[in-house]
Amino acid sequence: NAGVTQTPKFQVLKTGQSMTLQCAQDMNHEYMSWYRQDPGMGLRLIHYSVGAGITDQGEVPNGYNVSRSTTEDFPLRLLSAAPSQTSVYFCASRSTGAYGYTFGSGTRLTVV
Amino acid sequence: ELKVEQNPLFLSMQEGKNYTIYCNYSTTSDRLYWYRQDPGKSLESLFVLLSNGAVKQEGRLMASLDTKARLSTLHITAAVHDLSATYFCAGDDKLIFGTGTRLQVFP
Repeated sequence: NAGVTQTPKFQVLKTGQSMTLQCAQDMNHEYMSWYRQDPGMGLRLIHYSVGAGITDQGEVPNGYNVSRSTTEDFPLRLLSAAPSQTSVYFCASRSTGAYGYTFGSGTRLTVV
Repeated sequence: ELKVEQNPLFLSMQEGKNYTIYCNYSTTSDRLYWYRQDPGKSLESLFVLLSNGAVKQEGRLMASLDTKARLSTLHITAAVHDLSATYFCAGDDKLIFGTGTRLQVFP
């Protein structure tokens, strides 16, 4: 039981490049979410999903796409990276019947 | 849309002292979470509060929820250095976070 696994842990991108941040959980959780954390700030919700095939926007969705084709995976896509997307990204999940979220270890992204 | 505000943003405490972190939220939320984050690390769940008047305690930390006042508190009793971290509250089933309270405990 690995919990919530995020890859990569670190990434440097050039402005305009695209990439996908991976998030996988092996707990059969229905809810999955993506957050970004900027220095000295709290976490802001980017996108979330309540189950396979269902996604919705959070507080700061612009510049990011998501899909949820399986229960286990919830990738976050940056279509054209911008320096403003430099941040630490966290993925989290929980089951419908529970209340606590499990967080991944994060991906530190730098866009130059 | 839910807004969550915490205060203070920064708290410097002497070991052995007591203090309270406040979390106000703007609209009805059916649950309130408290998390801890150490520098460079992920988030660790501390408490989940589900109903008005809920109180939970773990060690030197105690969290409470007043849904009528839209207020949650995290009370620290007899602080120790190991409690130094950033503490976040969050509401809603999608987890909308406050800005966090950075706690430093010094001898």
